[in-house]
Amino acid sequence: TQLLEQSPQFLSIQEGENLTVYCNSSSVFSSLQWYRQEPGEGPVLLVTVVTGGEVKKLKRLTFQFGDARKDSSLHITAAQPGDTGLYLCAGDTAYGQNFVFGPGTRLSVLP
Amino acid sequence: EPEVTQTPSHQVTQMGQEVILRCVPISNHLYFYWYRQILGQKVEFLVSFYNNEISEKSEIFDDQFSVERPDGSNFTLKIRSTKLEDSAMYFCASGRGRRETGELFFGEGSRLTVL
Repeated sequence: TQLLEQSPQFLSIQEGENLTVYCNSSSVFSSLQWYRQEPGEGPVLLVTVVTGGEVKKLKRLTFQFGDARKDSSLHITAAQPGDTGLYLCAGDTAYGQNFVFGPGTRLSVLP
Repeated sequence: EPEVTQTPSHQVTQMGQEVILRCVPISNHLYFYWYRQILGQKVEFLVSFYNNEISEKSEIFDDQFSVERPDGSNFTLKIRSTKLEDSAMYFCASGRGRRETGELFFGEGSRLTVL
């Protein structure tokens, strides 16, 4: 069974600070996705990374896929209260057959 | 923008009853999934469905569960003889399934409460 771990589990920061959250596994993934989930709603896709070492930027969010395709990071610059939410990583282990989710990092950005 | 839609948004049922959760995936997607999320816990994979059959299922997806694509648009999850521990948010997702576009698009979820 492939497992994804995320750290930290909880993070509370002030508006304007930078932060990095991590997604780690001992398994290799064909792709990895980051989602954000608001309470009572479904996860919303932020990005997909496919190539080892790949870096993608989405405004203030920077996503990196590890060279070995086993881990990923999400860096947020100048966090805003609107960034508050549960950040989930999900790994695709079988080219679309099964996506395994990490437990998430719950981010709270205080004004 | 196309989206995955789920009904009902909330269903309350008595223990032992059967429930059917419905999903309309994005029309040009080929892979369909059901996930569940017990309150405060992680998103758990239940089953994936491709080409009118189950392609993979988790250990959670036992004989109590079944999935069906009764027509060209709907994708359903049936839960027989519901138990208290089946209370959760159930998310449907669809995707194109290729490596380069392997992301999932989730519906808003169906909240199941078993009393």
